Formats: sequence, C-alpha cells, structure tokens
Amino acid sequence: AQSVSQHNHHVILSEAASLELGCNYSYGGTVNLFWYVQYPGQHLQLLLKYFSGDPLVKGIKGFEAEFIKSKFSFNLRKPSVQWSDTAEYFCAVNPPPGAGSYQLTFGKGTKLSVIP
Amino acid sequence: GAGVSQSPRYKVAKRGQDVALRCDPISGHVSLFWYQQALGQGPEFLTYFQNEAQLDKSGLPSDRFFAERPEGSVSTLKIQRTQQEDSAVYLCASSLGLAGGNEQFFGPGTRLTVL
Repeated sequence: AQSVSQHNHHVILSEAASLELGCNYSYGGTVNLFWYVQYPGQHLQLLLKYFSGDPLVKGIKGFEAEFIKSKFSFNLRKPSVQWSDTAEYFCAVNPPPGAGSYQLTFGKGTKLSVIP
Repeated sequence: GAGVSQSPRYKVAKRGQDVALRCDPISGHVSLFWYQQALGQGPEFLTYFQNEAQLDKSGLPSDRFFAERPEGSVSTLKIQRTQQEDSAVYLCASSLGLAGGNEQFFGPGTRLTVL
C-alpha cells in the first residue's frame, strides 16, 4: 500500500521568504505525484503534478517541485512567498493506469501562514 | 458552473439518522471518487466509480456507508445510522479519463456533523 508523509504540520513565514515543504512517499513502483492547495474557504485545487520526464516540475503561481526517485521525495518550493500563499498544502500520489489502484493517497497536509 | 458541485454544503444529523450527500461531477467525466477528510487530516479514499460501475469500495469504513452512481453522472453517498465518528468533510472528485494518473477535480465538500 502507498503512503505519504509531510514533514511539517504548520509553517510560518514572512513575505518574501523562501519556502520548501517536504513530502516523502512509500510505494514500490512507478507513481504519479501531485501537490494540491486549499486556500481558506475554497476547495482543493491542483498546484502541480509529475507523471514522467523532467523531474523538476513547474506549477501555477510560481511554485515548483522536484521529484527525487532515490529519496522517494517530491518537495514543493517557492523562492519568495506572498501573503496570498497562505493555505493548506497536500502532497498526494497514485499509481499509473493499470496498476490496479485508483485512489489518490494524501499526506496529512501542511498549513502555511505567511505574515505580511 | 464548470466545476464539481456538492450538496448540501453543511449537514447536521442526530446520531442514528440516515444522511444522503450528493455530487455533481464535471460533465463528461468518467471517473468519480469520494473521499473523507477528518479534521486535521488529509483526504482519505472511500470509493471509486468508472461511469456507473463501482470498481473500488475498499475505503468505505463500514457497511453503513453506501454509494451509487446509477446513470454514470450524479453520485450519492449514503450513510445509515450515523455515528459521531462519521463527522468529517466528504469530498467528491471527478476526472476525465480512467483513474490513475489523471488530474482529479474536487468539489467544495459537504461538512457533516453528527451530534
């Protein structure tokens, strides 16, 4: 069974600080990797995804993530955060088509608070 | 609207009551998922439909939980004889293709509180 762990429960940063949120997964085969974001009062939205190819993935709003297969990691980064990035961030994985499992497996989430 | 919609957005039930939660996926989306999100946790998978077929219900926590998607579009999650531990946000998601690797689009969720 797959599992996802996110290292930080709550991160507090000042505006313009750099961000890195850790995500490690446990799964024995090829995986697809996702970061979802939930802004206050809104539904989950896809931030970025990795299926194959270049392990450095760029998403919306200046976010990027790097897939490091040897470390089973998919950390999320942003060079300079803004107050509007205050949200909860979820890392998720699922196997590719045909692997017999359909669901996304999520981490517990990291709450990011950005102080103006 | 173009997104996934869910109703009701909030539901308060007395312990022992039955509830029904509705999900309207994005039109044309083949795959539909239900997730349960407890306070302070990430969403956890409940069940998956491919069109009208329920292909995976391994995440349903008990036989009090039942889901259907009879015409391959709207889906209903029913919880019978609700218990306090059922209190959570129930999320519906849909994706265009078959599951596995496709982006899932989430609805706003139904927050269920069981008193």
